[in-house]
Amino acid sequence: EIVLTQSPGTLSLSPGETATLSCRASQSVTGSSLAWYQQKLGQAPRLLISRASSRAAGIADRFSGSGSGTDFTLTVSRLEPEDFGVYYCHQYGTFPHTFGGGTKVEIK
Amino acid sequence: QVQLVQSGAEVKKPGASVKVSCKASRNTFSTYYIHWMRQAPGQGLEWMGIINPSGGGTTLAQKLLGRVTLTRDTSTSTFYMELSSLRSEDTAVYYCALFSITWYWAQGTLVTVSS
Repeated sequence: EIVLTQSPGTLSLSPGETATLSCRASQSVTGSSLAWYQQKLGQAPRLLISRASSRAAGIADRFSGSGSGTDFTLTVSRLEPEDFGVYYCHQYGTFPHTFGGGTKVEIK
Repeated sequence: QVQLVQSGAEVKKPGASVKVSCKASRNTFSTYYIHWMRQAPGQGLEWMGIINPSGGGTTLAQKLLGRVTLTRDTSTSTFYMELSSLRSEDTAVYYCALFSITWYWAQGTLVTVSS
């Protein structure tokens, strides 16, 4: 199975700063079939990005995804208070689908 | 309009089984494969399997083979995930989801396994 490794584990930032989250796959992700989610305590994951770089409906353009093959990045510009939470990457190009371990973005 | 609505929370004893439902909007049911995922408290997300709405064929995560069954009821546009021989480690929120250009997730169902 494809193992997704997210880094860093925790990111401590202030509102207004830029968050750069990494997701590295143990083998190439077919068709750039990689999604990013934001999750807050007690809530279902919220889709931010699919197909590596396509923003989901209603997602602010401060969120951007990039990458292909084995290296993917989620960038959150001009952090706002509501952006803090845990972010997961998810590859859905190959069975079994797999998720990264998450990056927690917290207020500094 | 894609809509997925899951059944309510469950509390089960170790060794029992649980069956979670996921009702799809009528225009969704026969078109899209349904995935099941779960998330244990304080842990990450885990993909459990997928079911084809047309023939009912499934692909399941290896670690759950023999314990998880995915089915669907075409008359009610409902999908089911049944997990047997429950243990405390199965305590989690269970989600159904589908992919159609983008991902759609249901609200989740908390299953608690406790004696």
